[in-house]
Amino acid sequence: AQSVAQPEDQVNVAEGNPLTVKCTYSVSGNPYLFWYVQYPNRGLQFLLKYITGDNLVKGSYGFEAEFNKSQTSFHLKKPSALVSDSALYFCAVSALTSGNTPLVFGKGTRLSVIA
Amino acid sequence: EPEVTQTPSHQVTQMGQEVILRCVPISNHLYFYWYRQILGQKVEFLVSFYNNEISEKSEIFDDQFSVERPDGSNFTLKIRSTKLEDSAMYFCASKDYNEQFFGPGTRLTVL
Repeated sequence: AQSVAQPEDQVNVAEGNPLTVKCTYSVSGNPYLFWYVQYPNRGLQFLLKYITGDNLVKGSYGFEAEFNKSQTSFHLKKPSALVSDSALYFCAVSALTSGNTPLVFGKGTRLSVIA
Repeated sequence: EPEVTQTPSHQVTQMGQEVILRCVPISNHLYFYWYRQILGQKVEFLVSFYNNEISEKSEIFDDQFSVERPDGSNFTLKIRSTKLEDSAMYFCASKDYNEQFFGPGTRLTVL
């Protein structure tokens, strides 16, 4: 069975500083990995994904994530945080076994960027 | 840019009543999903749908839930007899190949 762990409930960072939101996963076979962001009273917005290829994936709004197979991690990063990045971030995994495999989400990490 | 839409945005109902949550997936997508998010908790998978039938369902998706694609565009989730614990945000998603696109959600409040 697939699972995702986001070990931090909350991450606080000063505006302009780099940010990292951690994610580790467990899946049988090769994983599809995703990051979604949720702003208050809004749906889930796709940020980026890893399917195959380059371990460093670049996504929306300047975010990137690094796939590390040996550590089963897919941490989300941004070189310089903005106050507008404050939101709830979800890591998700899907097994690369069928086209219709659902996403399994982590519990989410609340990012707070302080001006 | 095409997007998944959901109606209503907020539904309030009495315990024991039936509710139908509606979704319009992106038109050329083939895979459809419902997820829910109880307030303050993680997003949980309910059911996936492909080729006019359920592909997979979670243990949450018991007999009180059903899904339907009645007219080739809408994708609905029916909860037959709502319980207090069904109060949550319900998200519809559709997928083409790799990436699931989520709708804005329907907030269901059961009183």
